[in-house]
Amino acid sequence: GAGVSQSPRYKVAKRGQDVALRCDPISGHVSLFWYQQALGQGPEFLTYFQNEAQLDKSGLPSDRFFAERPEGSVSTLKIQRTQQEDSAVYLCASSPPHRNYGYTFGSGTRLTVV
Amino acid sequence: RKEVEQDPGPFNVPEGATVAFNCTYSNSASQSFFWYRQDCRKEPKLLMSVYSSGNEDGRFTAQLNRASQYISLLIRDSKLSDSATYLCVVIPGFGNEKLTFGTGTRLTIIP
Repeated sequence: GAGVSQSPRYKVAKRGQDVALRCDPISGHVSLFWYQQALGQGPEFLTYFQNEAQLDKSGLPSDRFFAERPEGSVSTLKIQRTQQEDSAVYLCASSPPHRNYGYTFGSGTRLTVV
Repeated sequence: RKEVEQDPGPFNVPEGATVAFNCTYSNSASQSFFWYRQDCRKEPKLLMSVYSSGNEDGRFTAQLNRASQYISLLIRDSKLSDSATYLCVVIPGFGNEKLTFGTGTRLTIIP
């Protein structure tokens, strides 16, 4: 596809449930990022991949959060034992090698934990 | 102190007016700078990169002041369609590629 694709678009999870969020970046984009955006706030960095290598996971809020990109293309963000504070929009972005072209974001997954 | 700071607004501006936003960043070694636009319940979209010499794209002008560590965005002849949240973004560079966002500045253009 032409853009970054994320699924599902919306997810309602019961507290304690595990969820998996998928990101399909633009073909050929080497870098992939996950961000968390709470209402009224700017996106907060979670983790960053270059191809299949996870170069920075300093933003993951707890060990309940795990991300992978095994073949350097599609990435999955997994949240175990979801809590209410995990409710947010999870955004994925990808970029080509030259960062001055900017980063393209997907439409995000809106996670609501009830 | 947050790494990237913006006035959250809201800015309510009449159509046709000129409006300017500033953003400050704390890491003096930062290498790349952008303005993104985010509409309600949508993803951020790149508005423009910000270069040291300043750059213009139609009604939008971006400036970078490295000495004072701030970035500005000027919108001339504002349109109703300019209503959105404007996010300042900084990338440290030198192997650290993560975008750091400000909280965003909410702009509403009033007819």
